[in-house]
Amino acid sequence: AQTVTQSQPEMSVQEAETVTLSCTYDTSESDYYLFWYKQPPSRQMILVIRQEAYKQQNATENRFSVNFQKAAKSFSLKISDSQLGDAAMYFCAYRSAKSNTGKLIFGQGTTLQVKP
Amino acid sequence: EAGVTQFPSHSVIEKGQTVTLRCDPISGHDNLYWYRRVMGKEIKFLLHFVKESKQDESGMPNNRFLAERTGGTYSTLKVQPAELEDSGVYFCASSLLRTGGRRNTEAFFGQGTRLTVV
Repeated sequence: AQTVTQSQPEMSVQEAETVTLSCTYDTSESDYYLFWYKQPPSRQMILVIRQEAYKQQNATENRFSVNFQKAAKSFSLKISDSQLGDAAMYFCAYRSAKSNTGKLIFGQGTTLQVKP
Repeated sequence: EAGVTQFPSHSVIEKGQTVTLRCDPISGHDNLYWYRRVMGKEIKFLLHFVKESKQDESGMPNNRFLAERTGGTYSTLKVQPAELEDSGVYFCASSLLRTGGRRNTEAFFGQGTRLTVV
């Protein structure tokens, strides 16, 4: 069974600085997707960024980028130029590319605090 | 376009009572998922509908939980009778059904229903 681990329950960053959130996963599959979701205090989860395992290039979305290390099964999220609106809980998630269900397997989450 | 909507946003019930949560997916999304996050733990998959059919219900914790999606539109998740350990946030998500190639697409989440059983 696949598992996702986020070892940082809480992180803080100064506004305008850079922060990296860690995520490791375990799977025997070679084809899958990885995601970072953001859940602000209003509680609706929003997709931040996704990575397809067969793509070697790290995904980027504006100030958000990932460091995908397939062999190490690591998928960290880097937030550059942090803004107050980035404060939220961040979830790393895995999804098999082969499964018909499309279900996501989540990590425990990391609460990010942004200090002004 | 409306997003995924969940009702109610909060519910406080006594142990032994029944609660029904509702999820309205994005129009046209055949995939509908239920997830649950118990306090301090990871979000866990409960089940997956494709239209009105249950594709995967491997995450349902026990037979006190009943999910339905009549007509393939909105879905309900009933907990009867509720127990203290059922407290948590219940999320619903929906996505388009892609029939060819790499299946399934991005899932959009609702705001969740915070259930407290006292």
